[in-house]
Amino acid sequence: SQTIHQWPATLVQPVGSPLSLECTVEGTSNPNLYWYRQAAGRGLQLLFYSVGIGQISSEVPQNLSASRPQDRQFILSSKKLLLSDSGFYLCAWSVPGSSGNTIYFGEGSWLTVV
Amino acid sequence: LAKTTQPISMDSYEGQEVNITCSHNNIATNDYITWYQQFPSQGPRFIIQGYKTKVTNEVASLFIPADRKSSTLSLPRVSLSDTAVYYCLVGDGVYSSASKIIFGSGTRLSIRP
Repeated sequence: SQTIHQWPATLVQPVGSPLSLECTVEGTSNPNLYWYRQAAGRGLQLLFYSVGIGQISSEVPQNLSASRPQDRQFILSSKKLLLSDSGFYLCAWSVPGSSGNTIYFGEGSWLTVV
Repeated sequence: LAKTTQPISMDSYEGQEVNITCSHNNIATNDYITWYQQFPSQGPRFIIQGYKTKVTNEVASLFIPADRKSSTLSLPRVSLSDTAVYYCLVGDGVYSSASKIIFGSGTRLSIRP
């Protein structure tokens, strides 16, 4: 069966510090991968999605970046965090070519920028 | 992706049937309708998916009229644990290798004792 893991689960970072969130998927090949962010009490904002190694599409051109160094690994980064980067970050995957919009989420990472 | 419209919030009581309707006037021929449930501090999880008529699983039912311009998620005999945000998504995913899946604001369902 397929599983998705992301880490760390929680982190508190000072403004201006770097960020690295990592996500891996097991049990599937060539998945579509996604990073979402959810501010407290708000909806899900799509940040990045990827259809293959090194192929990243950005939906939010802010101080965040994403990379996919391996087929089932997706990394969210920032060189300098802002207070507005605080939120709940979710990694997700879907099967290319599958019917509809079936997407599977990781456990999430809470980021607090102080 | 077809745009969807659903109520911002709904309230109900334990034991009642809850119906959440989603409008998707611009649904395309290849589009499926998918509903997700999200609890606080968790990612959304798949509830049900359909293309037309009625789909039922152990959690919910999905009713889709013939014109497919709307759909209704039906939760039978809700409990307090059904308090969550429910999202309606419309898209194909089949013909698009770059499946950009975007969630709307969802419907915040509150169940009271």
